[in-house]
Amino acid sequence: SQQGEEDPQALSIQEGENATMNCSYKTSINNLQWYRQNSGRGLVHLILIRSNEREKHSGRLRVTLDTSKKSSSLLITASRAADTASYFCATADGATNKLIFGTGTLLAVQP
Amino acid sequence: DGGITQSPKYLFRKEGQNVTLSCEQNLNHDAMYWYRQDPGQGLRLIYYSQIVNDFQKGDIAEGYSVSREKKESFPLTVTSAQKNPTAFYLCASRVPGSRGELFFGEGSRLTVL
Repeated sequence: SQQGEEDPQALSIQEGENATMNCSYKTSINNLQWYRQNSGRGLVHLILIRSNEREKHSGRLRVTLDTSKKSSSLLITASRAADTASYFCATADGATNKLIFGTGTLLAVQP
Repeated sequence: DGGITQSPKYLFRKEGQNVTLSCEQNLNHDAMYWYRQDPGQGLRLIYYSQIVNDFQKGDIAEGYSVSREKKESFPLTVTSAQKNPTAFYLCASRVPGSRGELFFGEGSRLTVL
């Protein structure tokens, strides 16, 4: 079962612009994580936010979490062509501790 | 360098054949996972193992089998019972006792001819 749903499914922006992706989930969580996947490659962990945190930063990444709305957002500032990839949210299920992935947002950054 | 190695990168199989995908890690992680990814889709959990000689079914285990005889290795067999095996398969591992990040291999793409 897929817990997370990302929105939008695809996003195309120009280099230098900001990119915002959203993730909604259904059940209680311990944490929420964001991963990046370049085409045909494995996933790479970007950032983790715990259920008692509301915002977290890492370099050009900013993640927010609203547990009352069961949603999270990932903001990539000053995007670069190299940011072109699919981005997935994953939630750590509170009961089983399994990571459940969303459907992903395909980001294209035009140079 | 520590990491997860999946092999082969590409694999072609005729219908009715079993095939085994290899996953080896030298991160000293106890927990290992197999996910399946279809085009434009998220990852779906096939099997996972929290410790050697133990494993549990994930959400889509039918038609797959695994073993966990060594901490470093978690091979996945795609059997002939799997009705639609063409997909991208990803292996991952996790820090022991953690609810934290997964470390992924580079994946194996299986195509059934």
